[in-house]
Amino acid sequence: AQSVTQPDIHITVSEGASLELRCNYSYGATPYLFWYVQSPGQGLQLLLKYFSGDTLVQGIKGFEAEFKRSQSSFNLRKPSVHWSDAAEYFCAVGAYDYKLSFGAGTTVTVRA
Amino acid sequence: DTGVSQDPRHKITKRGQNVTFRCDPISEHNRLYWYRQTLGQGPEFLTYFQNEAQLEKSRLLSDRFSAERPKGSFSTLEIQRTEQGDSAMYLCASSWGTPNNSPLHFGNGTRLTVT
Repeated sequence: AQSVTQPDIHITVSEGASLELRCNYSYGATPYLFWYVQSPGQGLQLLLKYFSGDTLVQGIKGFEAEFKRSQSSFNLRKPSVHWSDAAEYFCAVGAYDYKLSFGAGTTVTVRA
Repeated sequence: DTGVSQDPRHKITKRGQNVTFRCDPISEHNRLYWYRQTLGQGPEFLTYFQNEAQLEKSRLLSDRFSAERPKGSFSTLEIQRTEQGDSAMYLCASSWGTPNNSPLHFGNGTRLTVT
């Protein structure tokens, strides 16, 4: 069975500071890993994805994530957050299709 | 590309009533997915279609739930005899392929409140 754990329910960060969101997954084979962002009342937008190859993946809006097989982790990072990054972030794992398992999400608050 | 469209955006219904939601995927997307998202949780997979064929249903999808995609274009999700536990955001998503070659596009969802 596949599953995702996002240990941090809520993170507050100052504008301009760095951000790291944690994601741990459980999956029997090589996973497809995703990070999505959701603003209130909106659907999910893909930030980045990992299937294979370089374990450091670049995404949109200045985000990046690093796949670490030994730690079953896929943490999301951004060097300098902007107020517009306040949202809920979801990590997801899947296989060859889009039957994804999502984590419970991390809410990011950005303070001025 | 007008995106994935869902209708209605909000639905309030009384327990025991039937409700139907509609999803219009991005044109030419042959795969369509339904997810459910309850408050404070991530989305949970419900079912998906490739063209008009429903290929898989989650065990979360009780007998009160039925989904169709009659002509391989739009899809409907019906919930019969709604219960308060059905209150959630129902998300539709579409793609033209697999994660290898096609991103998954989500709609803005239909928020169901069962009173």
